[in-house]
Amino acid sequence: TQLLEQSPQFLSIQEGENLTVYCNSSSVFSSLQWYRQEPGEGPVLLVTVVTGGEVKKLKRLTFQFGDARKDSSLHITAAQPGDTGLYLCAGSQGNLIFGKGTKLSVKP
Amino acid sequence: NAGVMQNPRHLVRRRGQEARLRCSPMKGHSHVYWYRQLPEEGLKFMVYLQKENIIDESGMPKERFSAEFPKEGPSILRIQQVVRGDSAAYFCASSPLWSGGNEQFFGPGTRLTVL
Repeated sequence: TQLLEQSPQFLSIQEGENLTVYCNSSSVFSSLQWYRQEPGEGPVLLVTVVTGGEVKKLKRLTFQFGDARKDSSLHITAAQPGDTGLYLCAGSQGNLIFGKGTKLSVKP
Repeated sequence: NAGVMQNPRHLVRRRGQEARLRCSPMKGHSHVYWYRQLPEEGLKFMVYLQKENIIDESGMPKERFSAEFPKEGPSILRIQQVVRGDSAAYFCASSPLWSGGNEQFFGPGTRLTVL
């Protein structure tokens, strides 16, 4: 059973476009993390959201935690080729439960 | 300020051999987690350790897999009598005591290939 569903699975866009990726669950999490992983490397922590309804910004990235703490979204404004990678969300239930990720490709 | 270190980065073993994967957490972190990532699959939790204690091993296969985090030295994930299905990327993460595991910092992984 996949507790965290991420969508879309794949996303290919042109430089300068905006995008949103989603992380949904029927379970409540005490916190939720977003990571970015590049091929051959480990995931790099981008942000942790804890409070329902919380919004955090990291330069061109905006993260939102749903009011019920079951889902989250990541919005990227004016995407750049350097944003290319696998974006993973992970919910905390003691240990981290990971989604399968959204593979983003930003073409110049 | 070194991050989480894992070695080796790549490991090739023949079926039946043993694999030992090492992880040194970030300085000041006392919690270590091991995850396995199969191609096209998400990261799956295996085990959570603190110094000299296994806290949660609910994700570990019942046979052939073991983990330790001794008082001195790195954490070790040991796979005995490896089979082809063990081929995967194994990641270690560490977290500080205060975060309760909510913020985990990952190493670069060890890619195990079983021939």
